[in-house]
Amino acid sequence: GNSVTQMEGPVTLSEEAFLTINCTYTATGYPSLFWYVQYPGEGLQLLLKATKADDKGSNKGFEATYRKETTSFHLEKGSVQVSDSAVYFCALSGTGNNRKLIWGLGTSLAVNP
Amino acid sequence: EAQVTQNPRYLITVTGKKLTVTCSQNMNHEYMSWYRQDPGLGLRQIYYSMNVEVTDKGDVPEGYKVSRKEKRNFPLILESPSPNQTSLYFCASSTTTGGYSPLHFGNGTRLTVT
Repeated sequence: GNSVTQMEGPVTLSEEAFLTINCTYTATGYPSLFWYVQYPGEGLQLLLKATKADDKGSNKGFEATYRKETTSFHLEKGSVQVSDSAVYFCALSGTGNNRKLIWGLGTSLAVNP
Repeated sequence: EAQVTQNPRYLITVTGKKLTVTCSQNMNHEYMSWYRQDPGLGLRQIYYSMNVEVTDKGDVPEGYKVSRKEKRNFPLILESPSPNQTSLYFCASSTTTGGYSPLHFGNGTRLTVT
């Protein structure tokens, strides 16, 4: 079945460092891919998405490219800020009527000043 | 403001005492869903609803009930809570039109069952 694997955390970076959080997936068909972010004490919110191969999703300085050949959707940001400290979840769309997403386990990011 | 509202934010209860966690959305979304979040296990879907009076099981429905009598509300009911239901719960909603729409999440309910 479909699955998502993302790198384990926690990831600790200094402000202005480059961020990569790896995400790979296994899926049949052509799922959409998502990154959600969970700030402390809050629910998850959509960060970016890509709906087909070679699409690049971007938002708030974060980017991820849907790579079908490597089945990957790695999240990157060129210069992280303290306010980016959060848990990041990679997900792919399910099939059928249930709009359930298949989730990665989440990667915690801490950015130090 | 468009939002999903869950109540309560924190709940401590004892084994066997029935409880309800409420969820309400003001975006006229057809789809609503409940998740639980546990360390090392990520997010797991409990139940979902495609529209009023239409509900179905997710991955971990045992010990939970839901109802969808109105479009905006989707309460989660634990008839006889047990300690293994101690978790962080999230309600989410989305529209079902216009392709795959993002989920909007509530801020969570942290439940402790002793």
